[in-house]
Amino acid sequence: ILNVEQSPQSLHVQEGDSTNFTCSFPSSNFYALHWYRWETAKSPEALFVMTLNGDEKKKGRISATLNTKEGYSYLYIKGSQPEDSATYLCGSGNTGKLIFGQGTTLQVKP
Amino acid sequence: DARVTQTPRHKVTEMGQEVTMRCQPILGHNTVFWYRQTMMQGLELLAYFRNRAPLDDSGMPKDRFSAEMPDATLATLKIQPSEPRDSAVYFCASGLVRDGRTDTDTQYFGPGTRLTVL
Repeated sequence: ILNVEQSPQSLHVQEGDSTNFTCSFPSSNFYALHWYRWETAKSPEALFVMTLNGDEKKKGRISATLNTKEGYSYLYIKGSQPEDSATYLCGSGNTGKLIFGQGTTLQVKP
Repeated sequence: DARVTQTPRHKVTEMGQEVTMRCQPILGHNTVFWYRQTMMQGLELLAYFRNRAPLDDSGMPKDRFSAEMPDATLATLKIQPSEPRDSAVYFCASGLVRDGRTDTDTQYFGPGTRLTVL
């Protein structure tokens, strides 16, 4: 059974703090790792799709890295802002379809 | 700004009733996904289509759920009969799959249909 794990489950930080969280996925038959940002009462919004070991992607203050050999990806947020509060979801493609983790919910306090 | 649309946004029904949820994918996208979000399971894939043909519906309870794409602009998910355990948010997503693998291209999610079965 394919298992995608995200940690921590939730995180509270102060505005201006930098933070990071982890997505663990099976390294066998890996094809792609997706990160989505999901605000309350909205739909998931794509952040990154990464396919190659060592990939690094960046969008504004958010960046992600990928290690396919050991099966993990980190998402970093530099200088968190209240508008970054959301659930960050990763999805791993090993079987031709995405399997999502349970998400990390980030709360940024002003 | 192209978006996936879903109707209805909210649906409250009684156990045993038929429920139909509709999705309009982004024009030009060739793959449509149906997901269900619950507190216990998170976001789970129910079924997906490529060029309107069903590719995988292994995540869907076969006895009561059915998914179709009558044309390229409409995907439907039907539950008959509905049960309280079907209460969840149902998301449709679409994407343009280029290399034959569904898991390597970005998926664009609709706003979801919140279903409550009493």
